[in-house]
Amino acid sequence: NAGVMQNPRHLVRRRGQEARLRCSPMKGHSHVYWYRQLPEEGLKFMVYLQKENIIDESGMPKERFSAEFPKEGPSILRIQQVVRGDSAAYFCASSPGTGALFFGSGTQLSVL
Amino acid sequence: GEDVEQSLFLSVREGDSSVINCTYTDSSSTYLYWYKQEPGAGLQLLTYIFSNMDMKQDQRLTVLLNKKDKHLSLRIADTQTGDSAIYFCAEDPYNNNDMRFGAGTRLTVKP
Repeated sequence: NAGVMQNPRHLVRRRGQEARLRCSPMKGHSHVYWYRQLPEEGLKFMVYLQKENIIDESGMPKERFSAEFPKEGPSILRIQQVVRGDSAAYFCASSPGTGALFFGSGTQLSVL
Repeated sequence: GEDVEQSLFLSVREGDSSVINCTYTDSSSTYLYWYKQEPGAGLQLLTYIFSNMDMKQDQRLTVLLNKKDKHLSLRIADTQTGDSAIYFCAEDPYNNNDMRFGAGTRLTVKP
């Protein structure tokens, strides 16, 4: 029973490029969450999605960031025109709808 | 305040007890959680407590909940070097899985 799978594990982008982060939830989980962890800081909530719906995007920057969780396939967090300040670890978590969240190992984004 | 709050650092000697404290925001949270993050890894659920409980014990871990003060603590008995990690407190204020995390307490265990 695979856990939450995130890829890539590490992603390097130059300023102005696009970053796409993927997350496959645990089997049977239909709720996906994205969090950002900046160096020496805690986790900051970004967005909560269910299949084909964004439930809460109150933590997402208004520009350049978008997320989706299509009917088929993984959830995608997309960052357009990346800047150095976007460098962080991005964690995805999933749940069946109630109870604890289960986290992936994260994608470390480095913007040069 | 509006944030889940934790002290950022804790250092103990191997074999001592560690106590990590957390203040949360919403008394309606049904569950409160402790997660552990080891270097370079994601968060692992360590334990949780139901809001109508005062205490929960699980082997070396003891969780204490003071609902009146919205205070949660995690005690690790006989702390080992393998316990060195960042520990996150989390609440689910809307009971809809929209969790809010503290900044994490970095526990360092010295031999």
